Formats: sequence, C-alpha cells, structure tokens
Amino acid sequence: GENVEQHPSTLSVQEGDSAVIKCTYSDSASNYFPWYKQELGKRPQLIIDIRSNVGEKKDQRIAVTLNKTAKHFSLHITETQPEDSAVYFCAASIRGNDMRFGAGTRLTVKP
Amino acid sequence: DVKVTQSSRYLVKRTGEKVFLECVQDMDHENMFWYRQDPGLGLRLIYFSYDVKMKEKGDIPEGYSVSREKKERFSLILESASTNQTSMYLCASIPGDRAFRDGYTFGSGTRLTVV
Repeated sequence: GENVEQHPSTLSVQEGDSAVIKCTYSDSASNYFPWYKQELGKRPQLIIDIRSNVGEKKDQRIAVTLNKTAKHFSLHITETQPEDSAVYFCAASIRGNDMRFGAGTRLTVKP
Repeated sequence: DVKVTQSSRYLVKRTGEKVFLECVQDMDHENMFWYRQDPGLGLRLIYFSYDVKMKEKGDIPEGYSVSREKKERFSLILESASTNQTSMYLCASIPGDRAFRDGYTFGSGTRLTVV
C-alpha cells in the first residue's frame, strides 16, 4: 500500500539553530504534501504545504522542499524558538482527497 | 472559531460496550474522515465519507463502522469496544472539489480509554 516514512522520530535543537525533518513517499501519483504541527493537547494545524509542480516553498522561518524524482520532501525551520516545540507530521495525497501521514517527529527546542 | 467539533474530549468505556464518537463541521464540507492517532504510528485512516450516506474503508476499519446521515455530521461507531481501541481519535474535513486548497481541518480529538 501507499506509505509515508518520516525521520527522525525525535529531534532536539538549541534555540536559534535550524531543524530539518524528512519524509519519503511511495505513491508516484501523490501531488499534494502538507505539513501539520500538533502542540501538546491540541489538534493538528496545517503550517505549510507544497504541490507537485513546485520544488520549494517558503513562509517566513519555515520552508518545504520537494524532490518528485526521488519521492522525498523536507521541512526546514530556521532560527528555531521554544514555541516551535511540537510534534510535526508530514502527509502525501493519494486517491483524490485521501492522505497518508508520517509517524510524526517530536521537536524540542531548548532555550 | 471552532469549525470541526468532536462531542467528547475524554471518554472511558468498558470492554464490549458500543461506543459512538460524534463529529460535526460547520464549513459545508463534503469530505469527512476519521483517524486514530497512536505514538510512533502517526495518523491512521479508519473510514472516510465523500457524501451523505456514503462511506469507504480506510486502512484500519476492523472493529469500526460509521454513519453519515447528514452532511455536517460523521459518526464513528465501535461496535464492541476492546482495549486495543484505546487511542486518540481525530475527525477531519475538507471541501469536496477534489483539489486540496488548505489541507484538512481537524477536530480537537477524543481520547478514548477502554477498560
């Protein structure tokens, strides 16, 4: 079946450093790749997304890159802050409106 | 401005009970989804619905059923709750034009414990 692999499962960085989370997917028809941030006790929130006709997208300190040939995409957070601490999920679209999620990355930003 | 509402935040049920988890959205979305979230496994799709009275199985439908009698409401039913169904359950919705615009909108989740 279609899979999304996400690494690392946990990531700890010092405030101000960069954080990178990587995902790979298996369905070559996937064309939409969102990233969600889930703070403790809260619902997942969409933070950035990218479509297959774009290689990179940036929104302030957050950027996402996509390599369709290699079937991988990454989330980059620069100048990390303690409020960036959360669980991050990647996802890839399949079969129209369905999505597959990665297992999540717990990011801890130490002040 | 809560747009996807799950009726219960926490539930404790006994093994063998029939359990109903309710989800209501006020965005007139055609598509609704039920996921369960477990540590290290991410979000796994249980069932989804593209329209009223329509349902399709996701990756882990065993032990669950759903009901979509009205567009705004999508119910997840555990026919006979078991301890391995202890989990966080998340409802999500998106519009029905089959083109992602803003990703899913999630409910705040229901943490179910089966004892």
